[in-house]
Amino acid sequence: GAGVSQSPSNKVTEKGKDVELRCDPISGHTALYWYRQSLGQGLEFLIYFQGNSAPDKSGLPSDRFSAERTGGSVSTLTIQRTQQEDSAVYLCASSLDRSNEQYFGPGTRLTVT
Amino acid sequence: KNEVEQSPQNLTAQEGEFITINCSYSVGISALHWLQQHPGGGIVSLFMLSSGKKKHGRLIATINIQEKHSSLHITASHPRDSAVYICAVGSARQLTFGSGTQLTVLP
Repeated sequence: GAGVSQSPSNKVTEKGKDVELRCDPISGHTALYWYRQSLGQGLEFLIYFQGNSAPDKSGLPSDRFSAERTGGSVSTLTIQRTQQEDSAVYLCASSLDRSNEQYFGPGTRLTVT
Repeated sequence: KNEVEQSPQNLTAQEGEFITINCSYSVGISALHWLQQHPGGGIVSLFMLSSGKKKHGRLIATINIQEKHSSLHITASHPRDSAVYICAVGSARQLTFGSGTQLTVLP
């Protein structure tokens, strides 16, 4: 079946612009996660959704970052007024529920110039 | 001190060798994950375990909850095993990641 998909695969934006990143989880997966991997750095947790609600937003780096999930499916991660330090690969993962293994999407590579 | 420590950071092996990657953590967890990140960047979940031992093909993962330690073993290593292996520990809501082990298996 279809895996987790993300779009766009690459995004180049100017500093100060807003960007939206999209994640389509595996159908039926109730849990959805956003992570970030900066160049040469490890993975860091951003936010977790169970259904449409986000019980854990503790990883969002600043109030410029927000995320939503609608219909228990698609999620968007929005970064307002992008900064160069936001440049990273943004990864989405989904799981059947929070106690199951996570399936990762291919990521969106964001470059802020 | 990081909450998740992996060792070694880099590992080069000859094809056929037995490989061990270690992970130690300092926080309470509900599960530990081993992930594989290929050179192209894609991430695959290898194991999720909360106790004991799991085996998939040539891969074996063990965890000792009391010692807060896990190991990933690869038997009969092959060049296609070359990748970054990442340990992650989690509560039900989020994962905390180790810095990864870069494995290179030479033919």
